[in-house]
Amino acid sequence: AQSVAQPEDQVKVAEGNPLTVKCTYSVSGNPYLFWYVQYPNRGLQFLLKYITGDNLVKGSYGFEAEFNKSQTSFHLKKPSALVSDSALYFCAVRDVEAAGNKLTFGGGTRVLVKP
Amino acid sequence: GAVVSQHPSWVICKSGTSVKIECRSLDFQATTMFWYRQFPKQSLMLMATSNEGSKATYEQGVEKDKFLINHASLTLSTLTVTSAHPEDSSFYICSAWGGYSSYEQYFGPGTRLTVT
Repeated sequence: AQSVAQPEDQVKVAEGNPLTVKCTYSVSGNPYLFWYVQYPNRGLQFLLKYITGDNLVKGSYGFEAEFNKSQTSFHLKKPSALVSDSALYFCAVRDVEAAGNKLTFGGGTRVLVKP
Repeated sequence: GAVVSQHPSWVICKSGTSVKIECRSLDFQATTMFWYRQFPKQSLMLMATSNEGSKATYEQGVEKDKFLINHASLTLSTLTVTSAHPEDSSFYICSAWGGYSSYEQYFGPGTRLTVT
C-alpha cells in the first residue's frame, strides 16, 4: 500500500519569504514522487517530479523539492514566494514496483502568500 | 504538449437525469485514463482506471453502475453519471497516462457537476 501525508492544512508566508510545504510518503518499494498545484476551479498543474538521480529536483515557477529517503520526505520549497503562488498544493506518490500507474495524493496544503 | 481537455467545464442537471463528461488527450495517445472526484477543500479521490478497449477498474466503494466509464479510443474516455442525485455534485477530474513521459499523469481542467 502507498500513502502520502501533508501535515499542514495551510501555510502562510509573506511575499518574498521562503516557502516550504511538507510531504512524507510510505511505499513498499521505491517511490516516484510528484508535486502538483491547483488553482480554484481548475485541474492540477504539474510542478516537478522525482524519479531517480539527484535528490534535489528543480521544477516549474522556481519551485524545487528534496527527496530524502531516510526520512521518507519530499518537501516542496521556493526561496522567495510570490502572491501568485497562493493555491492548493498536492504531493503524490506512486510505488515503482506496483502494477499500474496509480497515484496516491496527500490531503493538500493551502498556501497563502500575503503581500 | 501533453494537453488533456474535459468537456463540459461545468454542468447543472436535474436529479434523476444522466450526465456525460468527456476527457480527451489532445496531442498524445493515452493508454490509461483515470477519473478522480474532488469534494470542496479536499483531496482527489481516485474513482476508476480505464484502459483503452477494456473495462474500467473501479476503486472500492465506487458504484460501477452509477459511474459508467468508457475508453473507446486512445484519445477519449467518458464518464457518465447515471440517475444523478444531489450527493453526486462534485468536481470531476480526469488524467491521462502514456504521453511524452511514462512517469507522470496529465490532468484535465476538471468538470463541475451540480445536481439540483
